[in-house]
Amino acid sequence: AQSVTQLGSHVSVSEGALVLLRCNYSSSVPPYLFWYVQYPNQGLQLLLKYTSAATLVKGINGFEAEFKKSETSFHLTKPSAHMSDAAEYFCAVSPGSSNTGKLIFGQGTTLQVKP
Amino acid sequence: DAGVIQSPRHEVTEMGQEVTLRCKPISGHNSLFWYRQTMMRGLELLIYFNNNVPIDDSGMPEDRFSAKMPNASFSTLKIQPSEPRDSAVYFCASSFTNRKNTEAFFGQGTRLTVV
Repeated sequence: AQSVTQLGSHVSVSEGALVLLRCNYSSSVPPYLFWYVQYPNQGLQLLLKYTSAATLVKGINGFEAEFKKSETSFHLTKPSAHMSDAAEYFCAVSPGSSNTGKLIFGQGTTLQVKP
Repeated sequence: DAGVIQSPRHEVTEMGQEVTLRCKPISGHNSLFWYRQTMMRGLELLIYFNNNVPIDDSGMPEDRFSAKMPNASFSTLKIQPSEPRDSAVYFCASSFTNRKNTEAFFGQGTRLTVV
C-alpha cells in the first residue's frame, strides 16, 4: 500500500530563512505526489504536483519540490519564508498506478514563521 | 468558476440527530471525494465517486454514515444518528480524472460539532 510520512509535525523558521518540509513516500509503483497547503479555517489548496515528468517541480508562491527516487523523498522548499507562508502543509500520494484524484495524506506539518 | 461549494460551513447538533452535509463540485468534474479531518487521525478519505457512482467507500466509518450523488452537480454525506466522536471538519473535493494531470480541488469544509 502506498503512504507518505511527513517528518516533523511543527517547523519554525525566521522570516527570510529557507523553508524545508520533509516528505517520504512508500510506493511499489511510480507515484503521483502532491503538496497541499491549508490556511486556518480554509480548505486545502494545491501547491504543486509530481506526475513523472520533471523531477524538480515548481509550484505557486515560490515553492518547489524535488522528486528523489533513490531517497523516496519529495521534500518541499522555499528559499525565503514570508509571514504569509504560516500554515499547515500536507504531502499526499495518489494510490494505485494511475492518478485518479484520490489522495492519501501525510499527517501534516505546521509551519511557523517568526518575524 | 466558484470552486467546490460546501454547506453549511458550520453545524452544531445534538447527539442522536441526523446531520446532512452538502457539496456542489466544480462543473465538468467527474470525480468527487469526501474527506474527514480530525486532530487524531488527520485527513481520511471517506468515499469516492466517479461519474456519480460510488467507487470506494472503504473509508466510511460505519453504517451510520451514508453518501449519495444523485447527479453530477450535487452530493450529500449523511450521519444518522450522530455521535460526539463524529465531530470533525468534513471536506468535499472534486477532480476531472485525466490520468497524469488530475488534481483535486477542495471546498472550504463543514465544521461539525456534535454535543
